[in-house]
Amino acid sequence: GAVVSQHPSWVICKSGTSVKIECRSLDFQATTMFWYRQFPKQSLMLMATSNEGSKATYEQGVEKDKFLINHASLTLSTLTVTSAHPEDSSFYICSARDRTSGNTDTQYFGPGTRLTVL
Amino acid sequence: TQLLEQSPQFLSIQEGENLTVYCNSSSVFSSLQWYRQEPGEGPVLLVTVVTGGEVKKLKRLTFQFGDARKDSSLHITAAQPGDTGLYLCAGGGYNKLIFGAGTRLAVHP
Repeated sequence: GAVVSQHPSWVICKSGTSVKIECRSLDFQATTMFWYRQFPKQSLMLMATSNEGSKATYEQGVEKDKFLINHASLTLSTLTVTSAHPEDSSFYICSARDRTSGNTDTQYFGPGTRLTVL
Repeated sequence: TQLLEQSPQFLSIQEGENLTVYCNSSSVFSSLQWYRQEPGEGPVLLVTVVTGGEVKKLKRLTFQFGDARKDSSLHITAAQPGDTGLYLCAGGGYNKLIFGAGTRLAVHP
């Protein structure tokens, strides 16, 4: 149980284009999903909290107009990197909280998406 | 601002040795999660501890949550090459997780 998928697993795009990454909870409903960014050999950095049916909450320093988040259903959140530039190249990971779980802190992570912007 | 200090940052040991990873904070957390991450993959949940003083065992891994819920430890007995990876602790609170910097473990045959 508690499986989270991400698509695509890797993507290469040209500078200036937009890229959409999908995050799905496969066997549970998630009212809250999270988007993280991870640089090589570093820990996870929270970008934003995605709440089903409402606006995302962005961490300080994260541009909400560049990283668009949509959480339209209890099993799907999307992250769109708009007008991507080489400095946006990174490993993006989503996570989800099981709304029925007794512990509201535990997050289950997707396998990540490697974005390379040329 | 809640911070979690994780140590050591790197650990390189021989198969069969024991090791302990620590996570410490001056803040109280509602829970503490431990994850293991392989290169190019997402973190995989190992355990969640929620009660001060709680001890959980997962085969050769023993997790402990401090009495005051400010610190936690992960002890691995008789490490094996398959234990190699990045271990992350994460404290729960304010509807999000605060991650430690991670411990990169390498177990050599």
